[in-house]
Amino acid sequence: GNSVTQMEGPVTLSEEAFLTINCTYTATGYPSLFWYVQYPGEGLQLLLKATKADDKGSNKGFEATYRKETTSFHLEKGSVQVSDSAVYFCALGNRDDKIIFGKGTRLHILP
Amino acid sequence: EAGVAQSPRYKIIEKRQSVAFWCNPISGHATLYWYQQILGQGPKLLIQFQNNGVVDDSQLPKDRFSAERLKGVDSTLKIQPAKLEDSAVYLCASRPGLGGQTQYFGPGTRLLVL
Repeated sequence: GNSVTQMEGPVTLSEEAFLTINCTYTATGYPSLFWYVQYPGEGLQLLLKATKADDKGSNKGFEATYRKETTSFHLEKGSVQVSDSAVYFCALGNRDDKIIFGKGTRLHILP
Repeated sequence: EAGVAQSPRYKIIEKRQSVAFWCNPISGHATLYWYQQILGQGPKLLIQFQNNGVVDDSQLPKDRFSAERLKGVDSTLKIQPAKLEDSAVYLCASRPGLGGQTQYFGPGTRLLVL
């Protein structure tokens, strides 16, 4: 069945550090891939998405590239800020309109 | 454009009591989802509606959970009776009916069962 595996947290970085959160998936067919972010006390917000192989999603300085050959969708940011502290969820969506989420990675950015 | 609204934001009940959550999706969104998010885990789909019909409720514990979406707009999720393991955040999401897979989430209702 479809599944998403992402690196466990928490991840703690200093401000302006480079961020990578790894995400790999297992799926039949050609899913869409997402990163959602959950700030403290808030619901999930779509951060970025990619709908086909080699697509790059980007938003707010974050990027992720849909890699079919490695079944990966790693999240990266060149210089993190304290305001990026949140929980990040990798997810996949298939043609049945359902989204399957990973367990989430908590990110702490220290000033 | 207003987002997905949920109420209440927080609820504390004792086990064996009943509780209900309300969701108002984004205007015009035909598809509505309820998720359960247990602490430290990703959201798990409980039920999916298309307009006022159920598309998938295979993960809904039907002996204690029920949900409805009257008139294809607002939805309520009920738990009766609640168990300790029902402590979680209950998220509502909606999506336009035609095309696209992006789901838009509400702020969630945090339930604590004592």
